[in-house]
Amino acid sequence: GQQLNQSPQSMFIQEGEDVSMNCTSSSIFNTWLWYKQDPGEGPVLLIALYKAGELTSNGRLTAQFGITRKDSFLNISASIPSDVGIYFCAGRDAGGTSYGKLTFGQGTILTVHP
Amino acid sequence: EPEVTQTPSHQVTQMGQEVILRCVPISNHLYFYWYRQILGQKVEFLVSFYNNEISEKSEIFDDQFSVERPDGSNFTLKIRSTKLEDSAMYFCATLQGYSGNTIYFGEGSWLTVV
Repeated sequence: GQQLNQSPQSMFIQEGEDVSMNCTSSSIFNTWLWYKQDPGEGPVLLIALYKAGELTSNGRLTAQFGITRKDSFLNISASIPSDVGIYFCAGRDAGGTSYGKLTFGQGTILTVHP
Repeated sequence: EPEVTQTPSHQVTQMGQEVILRCVPISNHLYFYWYRQILGQKVEFLVSFYNNEISEKSEIFDDQFSVERPDGSNFTLKIRSTKLEDSAMYFCATLQGYSGNTIYFGEGSWLTVV
């Protein structure tokens, strides 16, 4: 099956620092999504990317859909303590019966020290 | 903000027992999914359901698993004879499909098999 490689696995940063994480895939996705998960809760969508090359921002978050459609990155600027959590990338296949099936990366655990 | 509601939030069951996890999708959504997350691991696709039938399932979704939407509202995941390795957080997710591309996740049902 499709595999997403997400890195880094974990990050320990000081409040105010910028953060960058990325995902790569051996196969093409037509949508890239970035989710945040807090302990004991479900993933919450942060940013959705629908076109190759697309660069999208959501507040302090910026994400890009790679030109090759096999990679994406997420940047968080000026991190704050509430950014703590696990960040997952997810790729979505093309339409048809697989519409909505997501393949998730392994996650990046972010810790922000005040 | 629309919500996907899952019950129970936590269930402890003995190995070999049947378990039913319930999900109330967002009302105008057409596509429904179950995902699983073993503690400390990534979120994994189990099954997608559209137009009252399974549209795709993963290798994890073997004969012990079944899904149905018996009354047009609740979407259920049944595990017929639970095993220790079924212990995980199970997430329901839904997608509108015709004008909305966002997949909404519920908060999850934590299943512990002892």
